[in-house]
Amino acid sequence: EVQLVESGGGLVQPGGSLRLSCAASGFTFSSYEMNWVRQAPGKGLEWVSYISSSGSTIYYADSVKGRFTISRDNAKNSLYLQMNSLRAEDTAVYYCARGVVPAAILDYWGQGTLVTVSS
Amino acid sequence: SYVLTQPPSVSVAPGQTARITCGGNNIGSKSVHWYQQKPGQAPVLVVYDDSDRPSGIPERFSGSNSGNTATLTISRVEAGDEADYYCQVWDSSSDHYVFGTGTKVTVL
Repeated sequence: EVQLVESGGGLVQPGGSLRLSCAASGFTFSSYEMNWVRQAPGKGLEWVSYISSSGSTIYYADSVKGRFTISRDNAKNSLYLQMNSLRAEDTAVYYCARGVVPAAILDYWGQGTLVTVSS
Repeated sequence: SYVLTQPPSVSVAPGQTARITCGGNNIGSKSVHWYQQKPGQAPVLVVYDDSDRPSGIPERFSGSNSGNTATLTISRVEAGDEADYYCQVWDSSSDHYVFGTGTKVTVL
């Protein structure tokens, strides 16, 4: 059974940093692209970042480019999101989601971790 | 950037058919995927590649895509179908995933 479990969320002050993790199990992690998607309270889904199976290709949404860094450790079956210079508008539930190419399907999602940016 | 537009809400009586549209420039040339999200839960893929269903998704969920509009159709709507629905595509011109604005389906 495919499982994605996010962790690392919490309350952080504006300008602060946070590192999210996503532990994957039930599939060959190193064979799949991975993504982070977020959802602000009461709002819709917003894609944040993509990383290829090897980690060689990375994309970011314009809203986080230069502040967030996606990475993965295939040996540990883990996905990460380093978030720096956090802003109030980054407050959201952050989901990790498995990607299926070439059509960019997000076929499995974790339950999410809440990040709150507030003073 | 590529924009996907959905109606904010759709209301439907039990047993009837709900149709949720997703508008985008020449969206018919892209593969469209649909997600269902119930309150407090993570999204679930219900239709991929315009009209295919993942295993475990009822045949009542179907999709189509042509021209500037993709459509998710839910036949014989049940109370359990009440949720938010999002369309999604890959925009190759920007290397971005793009989500639609979302549609809340209410079962009357």
